[in-house]
Amino acid sequence: NAGVTQTPKFRVLKTGQSMTLLCAQDMNHEYMYWYRQDPGMGLRLIHYSVGEGTTAKGEVPDGYNVSRLKKQNFLLGLESAAPSQTSVYFCASSAWTGSMNTEAFFGQGTRLTVV
Amino acid sequence: ELKVEQNPLFLSMQEGKNYTIYCNYSTTSDRLYWYRQDPGKSLESLFVLLSNGAVKQEGRLMASLDTKARLSTLHITAAVHDLSATYFCAVAVISSGSARQLTFGSGTQLTVLP
Repeated sequence: NAGVTQTPKFRVLKTGQSMTLLCAQDMNHEYMYWYRQDPGMGLRLIHYSVGEGTTAKGEVPDGYNVSRLKKQNFLLGLESAAPSQTSVYFCASSAWTGSMNTEAFFGQGTRLTVV
Repeated sequence: ELKVEQNPLFLSMQEGKNYTIYCNYSTTSDRLYWYRQDPGKSLESLFVLLSNGAVKQEGRLMASLDTKARLSTLHITAAVHDLSATYFCAVAVISSGSARQLTFGSGTQLTVLP
């Protein structure tokens, strides 16, 4: 039972390079989220999606783009990486059933360093 | 803008002692979550609190929710070393339409000393 899987786990980028982080979930969840975690700041929401083909901005969306072409996948793109984007990135997914919402399940994280 | 504040941010306690972590939030919400994170690891769900007055317990941890006071607590009873971790609370709010976002507190880094 894979749950939420992130690819890659580690990456080092040079300033200005681009990359895509992949998140895949096998729980048939409608909601998917991308967070970044920095020391002392908890998790901050970058973008999220409430279903296939939909995306929305979170708290810190600048410098990132996302796509949800398939229900099970949520991609996070950095078009031109900056040192300020050095962080640990977490993907999460959750279900939506009527008016209830279960907790979010998290991937194992991607540690990104921009030099 | 929703603000979620946890305190303390750092907690060092002796084994066998009791302590409480507090989570205050600034806007109406009917559900709150507690997560645990070990160093270098992902987040593990501990509790989901869905209504005012909800109380849940698992082992040495007990969580409660007071939606009127916009306060949740995570109480640790007779702490043991295995509880050393960072604990996050997260509040679910409705953003656009019926979409829900999870906003996290800064986390409480708990160290249990022998």
